[in-house]
Amino acid sequence: GENVEQHPSTLSVQEGDSAVIKCTYSDSASNYFPWYKQELGKRPQLIIDIRSNVGEKKDQRIAVTLNKTAKHFSLHITETQPEDSAVYFCAASSTNTGKLIFGQGTTLQVKP
Amino acid sequence: DTGVSQNPRHKITKRGQNVTFRCDPISEHNRLYWYRQTLGQGPEFLTYFQNEAQLEKSRLLSDRFSAERPKGSFSTLEIQRTEQGDSAMYLCASSYRGGLAGGVNEQFFGPGTRLTVL
Repeated sequence: GENVEQHPSTLSVQEGDSAVIKCTYSDSASNYFPWYKQELGKRPQLIIDIRSNVGEKKDQRIAVTLNKTAKHFSLHITETQPEDSAVYFCAASSTNTGKLIFGQGTTLQVKP
Repeated sequence: DTGVSQNPRHKITKRGQNVTFRCDPISEHNRLYWYRQTLGQGPEFLTYFQNEAQLEKSRLLSDRFSAERPKGSFSTLEIQRTEQGDSAMYLCASSYRGGLAGGVNEQFFGPGTRLTVL
């Protein structure tokens, strides 16, 4: 069935370092891959997304890469700041339904 | 505020009672999704609508759960005979899908309704 695996579950980095979160999806029909940031008690906020017709997308300090053959996609945050501390979720969906299948989440802690 | 709104924000109920939540999507969005999120987990898909039509319902969803979107605008999610295992955050999201060739677009989430079943 549809499944998204996300690793690591927790990640602690020093301010200024880079952070990488990896996801694997199972449904070959998936063609849209968003990343959400969720702070404690808040709603998930879309931070970046990528579609299957591109391999990489960048927005300032955030980048996402996609390997369709391996069904892997990753989030890269450079020059991390304490305000980047939150739970990050990857997700996958197909064009037909748009329903999002989420990973289990990664708790990122950026130490000042 | 032109974002997705949900009411109530918090609901405490006793086991066996019925509860109903409301979601108001972004006005031009034709798709509306319901998700459930428990502590430490990612949101789990429950059901979705395109306009007023309910197009998919999760196989994991008990028949105690029902959702409607009667006029293609706001939606309600009802849980009958609540159980303690229903305690969770219920999230609503909306997006816009264009015509026949339209692709998937970003989903924007509401603040959620936190349900506690005693």
